[in-house]
Amino acid sequence: NAGVTQTPKFQVLKTGQSMTLQCAQDMNHNSMYWYRQDPGMGLRLIYYSASEGTTDKGEVPNGYNVSRLNKREFSLRLESAAPSQTSVYFCASRGLAGARAGELFFGEGSRLTVL
Amino acid sequence: AQKITQTQPGMFVQEKEAVTLDCTYDTSDPSYGLFWYKQPSSGEMIFLIYQGSYDQQNATEGRYSLNFQKARKSANLVISASQLGDSAMYFCAMRVEGYGNNRLAFGKGNQVVVIP
Repeated sequence: NAGVTQTPKFQVLKTGQSMTLQCAQDMNHNSMYWYRQDPGMGLRLIYYSASEGTTDKGEVPNGYNVSRLNKREFSLRLESAAPSQTSVYFCASRGLAGARAGELFFGEGSRLTVL
Repeated sequence: AQKITQTQPGMFVQEKEAVTLDCTYDTSDPSYGLFWYKQPSSGEMIFLIYQGSYDQQNATEGRYSLNFQKARKSANLVISASQLGDSAMYFCAMRVEGYGNNRLAFGKGNQVVVIP
């Protein structure tokens, strides 16, 4: 099983450039998330989508936009990249209700550097 | 708002010894779930263990156990018989149940290095 797939795994951008991080899951999960991870900061939620057609801001949404294209796919877009957006980005989807309701399944991460 | 606190500095642990990682949380909701994830140097996030706020017993998963002290709002992870492969960052996370609340909040992590 592929689980959660993110692309690209590595990207270098210049300040002001735009790019989209793609994420797809094959587990039929309703909820999907984008987190960023910075040294000493843990994981911080950027945006999430509780279901197809809905998106909501997380803790650090500024500078980002998202699209929940369908149930499988949730993309994160940087319209005008800034050095402060240099980070590792994780996409995740949420497991079904049950004993471990809320468990997140993560992609492998995308390392983005903005020069 | 939910808050997760992990404040221990990096830890060195002797192989085969046990290690306890501290996690405290803050929520006013009575129904919530607590999670621990492991992140090795390769970067992936690996689920370790889950504890529900209404669970009567502390969760265990192989060498991992969760010391859940609800009154103290504490959910410490205990790793028994440490192995070299346990060297990693460990993150505590909390999900609050309830309509419309669909997010997992993470602590800043604990670094563990297991030495032979």
